[in-house]
Amino acid sequence: DTEVTQTPKHLVMGMTNKKSLKCEQHMGHRAMYWYKQKAKKPPELMFVYSYEKLSINESVPSRFSPECPNSSLLNLHLHALQPEDSALYLCASSQSPPSLSVDTQYFGPGTRLTVL
Amino acid sequence: AQSVTQPDIHITVSEGASLELRCNYSYGATPYLFWYVQSPGQGLQLLLKYFSGDTLVQGIKGFEAEFKRSQSSFNLRKPSVHWSDAAEYFCAVAKTAGTASKLTFGTGTRLQVTL
Repeated sequence: DTEVTQTPKHLVMGMTNKKSLKCEQHMGHRAMYWYKQKAKKPPELMFVYSYEKLSINESVPSRFSPECPNSSLLNLHLHALQPEDSALYLCASSQSPPSLSVDTQYFGPGTRLTVL
Repeated sequence: AQSVTQPDIHITVSEGASLELRCNYSYGATPYLFWYVQSPGQGLQLLLKYFSGDTLVQGIKGFEAEFKRSQSSFNLRKPSVHWSDAAEYFCAVAKTAGTASKLTFGTGTRLQVTL
């Protein structure tokens, strides 16, 4: 089973709202990722958590706040977003073997975010 | 720095025809290569990957890809396309990033299938 789930599927929010995106996997993976994808573009990496610790932040604005409460769950907290933040937000996970080798990322279906 | 080029932005093929999507990479070491497919509004599904070994890799849905080091290419092929194959296809190269991996994607190729 290589399933990554994301909720909600769609989210509409105003610029003053606070909302959260949720991502879950039960494959025992120890690395989890957030990507942002604009229309007709490839996904852009935002954050990486490895063993529940933030290991990569790709200079993402502070209005995006990631959280990894446990090895199966990844949240993205949103606050004071701008209309240009409207995009498909994808979560992915990978096994993250301790041998420091490359492994395969499995993606969720995404959350379509619209900021009004 | 690693990079991936997908020269074809948009390709149209007839159902039942063969397909080849091109991917060229730039990477100093042994590349770890992937093809993902994305249907409109959906997430990315892994089609196949190359880490090492046999340079002809079989994937899901009847797709295969061939790694050619001399040409820095990892082209995706399918002998007979089905209408359901219409989607966006991304080639990607990965490198280690601590205990995780970092993917660099190409710009994608949109496949249209005519009946």
